Amino acid sequence: AQRVTQPEKLLSVFKGAPVELKCNYSYSGSPELFWYVQYSRQRLQLLLRHISRESIKGFTADLNKGETSFHLKKPFAQEEDSAMYYCALSPNSGNTPLVFGKGTRLSVIA
Amino acid sequence: DAMVIQNPRYQVTQFGKPVTLSCSQTLNHNVMYWYQQKSSQAPKLLFHYYDKDFNNEADTPDNFQSRRPNTSFCFLDIRSPGLGDAAMYLCATSPGGLGANVLTFGAGSRLTVL
Repeated sequence: AQRVTQPEKLLSVFKGAPVELKCNYSYSGSPELFWYVQYSRQRLQLLLRHISRESIKGFTADLNKGETSFHLKKPFAQEEDSAMYYCALSPNSGNTPLVFGKGTRLSVIA
Repeated sequence: DAMVIQNPRYQVTQFGKPVTLSCSQTLNHNVMYWYQQKSSQAPKLLFHYYDKDFNNEADTPDNFQSRRPNTSFCFLDIRSPGLGDAAMYLCATSPGGLGANVLTFGAGSRLTVL
């Protein structure tokens, strides 16, 4: 069965420091990977997906199939990046629902 | 704005007293999902509808039921809530097809069981 692991429950960084939120997955096929984010008092929302290969709010994530990882990175953290981040996996790009990781709370300290 | 709206935002019920949570969407999305999220845990999928086709997760308790009377609305019924059912319940939608896992979430309904 597919599984998503986010090893850090909480990550604190200083403003302007680089950020890396780790995500590892277990799935033998070709998954589709996502990062969802939940800011304080807001609903859960899509941040980015690996097939889009885009940078959203300065964040990027590269799918590394060899390491089965999809780490989320940003070179310079901002206070407004403080939020709960969830990595999620879909076994294929069809209609199989997402499996979420437990999430990492990012706290950016001024 | 096109949205996913959940009601009520907060629901308090007594042990064993049935509860219904509702979700409506103006996105005309084919797929609607119900997730349960407990504190410090990942959202856990309970079931989803692809159009009218109902898909139950294998480990979803029988105590949880769902209805989707039309494209816009979906309901979560908890027939006999237990203390362990206290959680945030999230409704989400997606267009299906290639956009299947681009989910739009509602704000959630927080259930308290006394």
